[in-house]
Amino acid sequence: SYELTQPPSVSVSAGQTATISCSGDKLGEQYACWYQQKPGQSPVLVIYQDTKRPSGIPERFSGSNSGNTATLTITGTQAMDEADYFCQAWDSSTVVFGGGTKLTVL
Amino acid sequence: QVQLVQSGAEVEKPGASVKVSCKVSGYTLTKLSMHWVRQAPGEGLEWMGGFDPEDGETVYAQKFQGRVTMTEDTSTDTAYMQLSSLRSEDTAVYYCAKLSSGYYQGGYYYYMDVWGKGTTVTVSS
Repeated sequence: SYELTQPPSVSVSAGQTATISCSGDKLGEQYACWYQQKPGQSPVLVIYQDTKRPSGIPERFSGSNSGNTATLTITGTQAMDEADYFCQAWDSSTVVFGGGTKLTVL
Repeated sequence: QVQLVQSGAEVEKPGASVKVSCKVSGYTLTKLSMHWVRQAPGEGLEWMGGFDPEDGETVYAQKFQGRVTMTEDTSTDTAYMQLSSLRSEDTAVYYCAKLSSGYYQGGYYYYMDVWGKGTTVTVSS
């Protein structure tokens, strides 16, 4: 079965740039999306179709996908961005999630 | 605006079954692809299954094959997820989510853009 691998944790200082990776075999040949989840809340879509932001998602969130890795970038990270982030892809009619990355804003 | 309203928390004994509902408002259930995702305490997101817009059929994750059933009542725009033979490891928050899709440059993309608030299912003797 297809697998997506994320680092368990990433730390970033407030105002700096955070990057969260998501690796999978030939992931760049399909589309990836990203969700943000804060404690006790449902996931929220922040990036879809590799690079697109849903309405209401701040411009500081961006995405890319090439080769075997999709990346979520948060430019000018704010304290409110501290959360868990999950990547997701679609493989053979199944939804695949990465294991999640806890982003800590210092 | 599409909203998904889930049923309340459930406590079940091992071996029992649970049925979680997800009512769609602001849209028609027949026009969307509903999926179910669960999250055990302190763990990540785990996809359970949902409607495949490519094939027009409900697909279940291999892990839950034979134990999960996803149904829809189009008269009330309500989706259901029933999980049987419950064990302690099934203790989790269960989410319904609307899957959206598109086609671009030779490939399809899929994402879940609307989520319910989750239903906590506790399995305990």
